[in-house]
Amino acid sequence: GAVVSQHPSRVICKSGTSVKIECRSLDFQATTMFWYRQFPKQSLMLMATSNEGSKATYEQGVEKDKFLINHASLTLSTLTVTSAHPEDSSFYICSASSGQANTEAFFGQGTRLTVV
Amino acid sequence: AQSVTQLGSHVSVSEGALVLLRCNYSSSVPPYLFWYVQYPNQGLQLLLKYTSAATLVKGINGFEAEFKKSETSFHLTKPSAHMSDAAEYFCAVSLHTGGFKTIFGAGTRLFVKA
Repeated sequence: GAVVSQHPSRVICKSGTSVKIECRSLDFQATTMFWYRQFPKQSLMLMATSNEGSKATYEQGVEKDKFLINHASLTLSTLTVTSAHPEDSSFYICSASSGQANTEAFFGQGTRLTVV
Repeated sequence: AQSVTQLGSHVSVSEGALVLLRCNYSSSVPPYLFWYVQYPNQGLQLLLKYTSAATLVKGINGFEAEFKKSETSFHLTKPSAHMSDAAEYFCAVSLHTGGFKTIFGAGTRLFVKA
């Protein structure tokens, strides 16, 4: 299957700083990428959908100025958590879709963000 | 809008017993359906998927699921549970028209007793 790489796998940052998470499709062109957030012992909640070259579409309740998403190329999307606070600590997972013959989106392995 | 309901946040079975994890979906158009497994502090692993071909789908690790349109269900089963099956299981639905935006159920934690 297609491979999606997410980096870093774990990050610890100080409160008030910003953190960037990268999501790369390694062997296919991802026209659409998705970002999810997962709190402990909970399900994955979709945060936003990004299409290459256009602005991301955020789900209701997700602060777009807090969670900046960039999808500048067909193989890379980034999520930047700005002015992070402890309540932003979570597991963030991306997925990528080529929207063609593939019948699914492929998931990265996730990033554990801890804000101290 | 599509949605997924997983019945039972926790399921406990004995080793060797049948595993049945329930999932019902809601979708205005024929959906794609998935089951994922997540082990503690890890990402998602795809177990199996239904994409409008055979209604009985076989996946990895001995799991299978049956798509029943009349019941809007996609329950996951495994004939004989193994200790290594203990994990969190997520049922998910996506639509091609949404670029495969995937919506997840709340998850079911499977416990396997020795």
